Formats: sequence, structure tokens, C-alpha cells
Amino acid sequence: DAMVIQNPRYQVTQFGKPVTLSCSQTLNHNVMYWYQQKSSQAPKLLFHYYDKDFNNEADTPDNFQSRRPNTSFCFLDIRSPGLGDAAMYLCATSRPGQGYNEQFFGPGTRLTVL
Amino acid sequence: SQQGEEDPQALSIQEGENATMNCSYKTSINNLQWYRQNSGRGLVHLILIRSNEREKHSGRLRVTLDTSKKSSSLLITASRAADTASYFCATGPNAGKSTFGDGTTLTVKP
Repeated sequence: DAMVIQNPRYQVTQFGKPVTLSCSQTLNHNVMYWYQQKSSQAPKLLFHYYDKDFNNEADTPDNFQSRRPNTSFCFLDIRSPGLGDAAMYLCATSRPGQGYNEQFFGPGTRLTVL
Repeated sequence: SQQGEEDPQALSIQEGENATMNCSYKTSINNLQWYRQNSGRGLVHLILIRSNEREKHSGRLRVTLDTSKKSSSLLITASRAADTASYFCATGPNAGKSTFGDGTTLTVKP
């Protein structure tokens, strides 16, 4: 089945130690999104890619970076995680022209920062 | 602040009852979507309603949209324990992005 896959599902890192979260999709969607979601809050968009075009949200800290080497994969790099970066990180995809805003989410990666 | 705001923040009902949750937003939209999120999981798209639509149905779901009041409601009829989840509205598009509200946490008691 076509889907959005996130690895790992749970990630533990130390304060200040770089960490990379990965997302892959078999939907062949042009757009990929990264969201941060803290407990009982709305998902907060960090950035998104439309094909190779990177779109950063104005309030996304520089500590967060992203890479999209090809259509299928997208990575979230947190260069120096702080305690406040502990959250669920959600990857999503969408396909323009086919319910452009319908987003397909992965199961998320729960990040713990010690 | 978030574009969409859900009301109530939490809702607890008995199985078989109907659940209604509301979403208000601030600016003009092209469409509004509702998503469900089970605890610790990703979001699942439920239904999309376009700005020129007033009502839409999908199974036990009924969504209304009132653009003059900038509000939408999601009705789940004959609720089941499996409907227990958080429900988010999302408005868009704005440069290809949707903005999510803070969600309503629904608990359906067996």
C-alpha cells in the first residue's frame, strides 16, 4: 500500500547532540511537509518542499534544517537539540491538483531530549 | 496565532450519541479540512469542504461550512468507542500550506 513512512518511531538524543529524522513516501507526491507537534497542541509547520523548492516558515529556528535528496525521501536535521525540541515530528505529503491540501501523514517520530 | 480554533477543547460522550465540534477561522479560505489523530499517531484526513460548499457528508460524518461566520462544524453521528481521538480542522490553502487548529479531544465511553 502506498504510504508515508517515518523512521525511527522513537528517537532519544542528548542535549546538543545532532539528530536526523527520516521520512519516505511511496505516493509520488510533489509536496512534503515537516511538522512539530507538542502535547495537546496543533501541528506546527516547520517547512515544506514543493519538488526541490524549499519553503521555510518564518518562525522556524535555524536549529532545524531539512534535505530532500529525491522525490521519495525527506530528512529533518536538528543540529543542536534543546529540551524544548522534545516533541512529535510529523511528515506529510500532498499532490497538487488532486485535493491539493489533502495531506497524508506518517505515524510520526517521538523525539526525547535528555 | 492559529488560523483555526476548535471548540470545545474536550468532549466526552456515551457510545451511540452524536458528537459535534466546531472550528472558527480568521481569514478567507479556499477550503477547510478535518483530520483525526489517534493518540501518539499521525493525522488522518477525514473530509474536505470547499468554500463554495455548505454541507458535505461522508459516512457518519457531516461537515458544514458557514463562510459568512468563518466557522465550520463536524458532526459524528452514532459515535463509537473507536471514534475516540483528537480532531483538527485545517484551513487553506495559503501558499500551498494548511494551518491547523488546536483540536478537540473526543472521548467516547463504551
